[in-house]
Amino acid sequence: DAGITQSPRHKVTETGTPVTLRCHQTENHRYMYWYRQDPGHGLRLIHYSYGVKDTDKGEVSDGYSVSRSKTEDFLLTLESATSSQTSVYFCATLGGEGQPQHFGDGTRLSIL
Amino acid sequence: KNEVEQSPQNLTAQEGEFITINCSYSVGISALHWLQQHPGGGIVSLFMLSSGKKKHGRLIATINIQEKHSSLHITASHPRDSAVYICAVLTSGSRLTFGEGTQLTVNP
Repeated sequence: DAGITQSPRHKVTETGTPVTLRCHQTENHRYMYWYRQDPGHGLRLIHYSYGVKDTDKGEVSDGYSVSRSKTEDFLLTLESATSSQTSVYFCATLGGEGQPQHFGDGTRLSIL
Repeated sequence: KNEVEQSPQNLTAQEGEFITINCSYSVGISALHWLQQHPGGGIVSLFMLSSGKKKHGRLIATINIQEKHSSLHITASHPRDSAVYICAVLTSGSRLTFGEGTQLTVNP
């Protein structure tokens, strides 16, 4: 939807390894978001970006970093993955205020 | 207490029934969104509203800003409406705060 591609779609890795998730959009949307979705919590904001090289923390940012060097790409990095970061991760974009957010299809990440 | 509360958490209905899902929030908002998430995970935006009522097909969303409450109605429900319905509010800037979702199952 809205030209959002998340990669990989599924990943299994071990505790302590670095992991990078990629979100790519083709709509030239200014705002991009990373959420995690866990049972009993709904969607929670990890980090977001309001432009190239402009990012800010969300409510569950510990253990995560992001980068946005181009409008179309927003990367989420787990420097040293922990089992508590096992989750489904969604990327979303927003063209501007007053518009709905568009979501990617999600990445299912399992950390053993 | 969460800033966005949805009820019920789970809802089972028979095909053809009228369905209501409720959302209450405790913060000032500029808009409220209703989202749908099907099995398999994809999330789509159904409505974004800041006042009054919106209708799309068999779906109707209403909001009462003074009471900080919104409802999503589905008329003549169908098994294909089975999904998780998520309420989210737009607070500061362009950040959304989400409810935990309502799992709807419509049986034939």
